[in-house]
Amino acid sequence: SSELTQAPDVSVTLGQTVRITCQGDSLRNLYASWYQHKPGQAPVLVFSGKVRRATGIPHRFSASSSGGVASLIIRDVQAEDEAVFYCLTRDFGGDRLVVFGGGTRLTV
Amino acid sequence: EAELLESGGGLGQPGGSLTLSCAASGFAFSNLGMSWVRQAPGKGLEWVSAVSFSGQTTHYADSVKGRFRISRDNSKNIMSLQLNGLRVEDTAIYYCATIMDYSGTDIRLESWGQGTLVVVSS
Repeated sequence: SSELTQAPDVSVTLGQTVRITCQGDSLRNLYASWYQHKPGQAPVLVFSGKVRRATGIPHRFSASSSGGVASLIIRDVQAEDEAVFYCLTRDFGGDRLVVFGGGTRLTV
Repeated sequence: EAELLESGGGLGQPGGSLTLSCAASGFAFSNLGMSWVRQAPGKGLEWVSAVSFSGQTTHYADSVKGRFRISRDNSKNIMSLQLNGLRVEDTAIYYCATIMDYSGTDIRLESWGQGTLVVVSS
């Protein structure tokens, strides 16, 4: 089955660039998607696995994937970007359909 | 634009049952797989269950397998999650979401509802 590892916390200064990573062996063959979750709100799809930015997501957000590590990159970080970010992929070889990473709390 | 509205949350007794519903509108409900995701207090997102577009294929997390049952009624654009054998650790906000690329490598949860709170306590 697939397991995804994310750093629990990342801090960034306003206006700087931050990279949030998601590591998993299954990502060598599968795509990861990314979700932004703010307190009291529904999670929002930010990027689909094939590096497609979701509707309404600023171009400051980009994504990449290589060697089992998927990355979400946010340039010119704004205060409103503060949230918990999750990656997700198919549970390859397991009984679950999909699996989430543990989430990374971004503090601006 | 897809809209999802969860309902049915509330207080449940340990060992008891609750049924959650997700009413869908604004898209071709019968064409998409659907999923439930939950967030326990102070925890991250946890995928719970999914059902294919037809309802014929279902998936469950190990933590709920044998206790929860997912279903859908494509004639009414409603997906349901029956929660049986409730445990304190089932306390969470439950979100429904649409699944894109259900059988492919680019599977993702595209649209989400606002969630419904389930509290399991005696």
